[in-house]
Amino acid sequence: DQQVKQNSPSLSVQEGRISILNCDYTNSMFDYFLWYKKYPAEGPTFLISISSIKDKNEDGRFTVFLNKSAKHLSLHIVPSQPGDSAVYFCAASEDAGNMLTFGGGTRLMVKP
Amino acid sequence: DTEVTQTPKHLVMGMTNKKSLKCEQHMGHRAMYWYKQKAKKPPELMFVYSYEKLSINESVPSRFSPECPNSSLLNLHLHALQPEDSALYLCASSRNRGRWNEQFFGPGTRLTVL
Repeated sequence: DQQVKQNSPSLSVQEGRISILNCDYTNSMFDYFLWYKKYPAEGPTFLISISSIKDKNEDGRFTVFLNKSAKHLSLHIVPSQPGDSAVYFCAASEDAGNMLTFGGGTRLMVKP
Repeated sequence: DTEVTQTPKHLVMGMTNKKSLKCEQHMGHRAMYWYKQKAKKPPELMFVYSYEKLSINESVPSRFSPECPNSSLLNLHLHALQPEDSALYLCASSRNRGRWNEQFFGPGTRLTVL
């Protein structure tokens, strides 16, 4: 049973527009959520995280929103750039980042 | 130094071979992890080391044997693997097993078992 789901396998966005990547989870014990970006033949790169005591965290062009009641988080990228094209994984942890459970990933394509 | 390095980048081995994967970080992190990632799937946790001691083993078969000789180095010894063990093996590290730690990943070793 998948505890972390990314229901959109792919997303295509025009350069300069907003990219919104979504993630749903089922385990109410998760208390820390992270987003990673992955290019082919490379390891995941940490982007941004949020703890369950917050509902928003912002870092430059990246903002993560957490809706605990809906068990949903989203990553907003504004403005999107062609270099953002990659696979994005959301991950969740119930012990503050130690054991990560990953979603299936969403491939983002940003068109020039 | 803010990166996790892994060697080799690629490894091809037969089912009777013994080989080792190596992971190194010099960020002073005290928690290190091994993940396995199959094609088009998310990474799956295998082992967690905290302060050089094995703290989590996610029911991984004994043909995979982790080792943490010191706080900067993590090995994964492989013996009698099966073709279905072919995957990308990722190493990660984080500051410690305390709260709100992000994990930093290496580039991975792509393993093919013939």
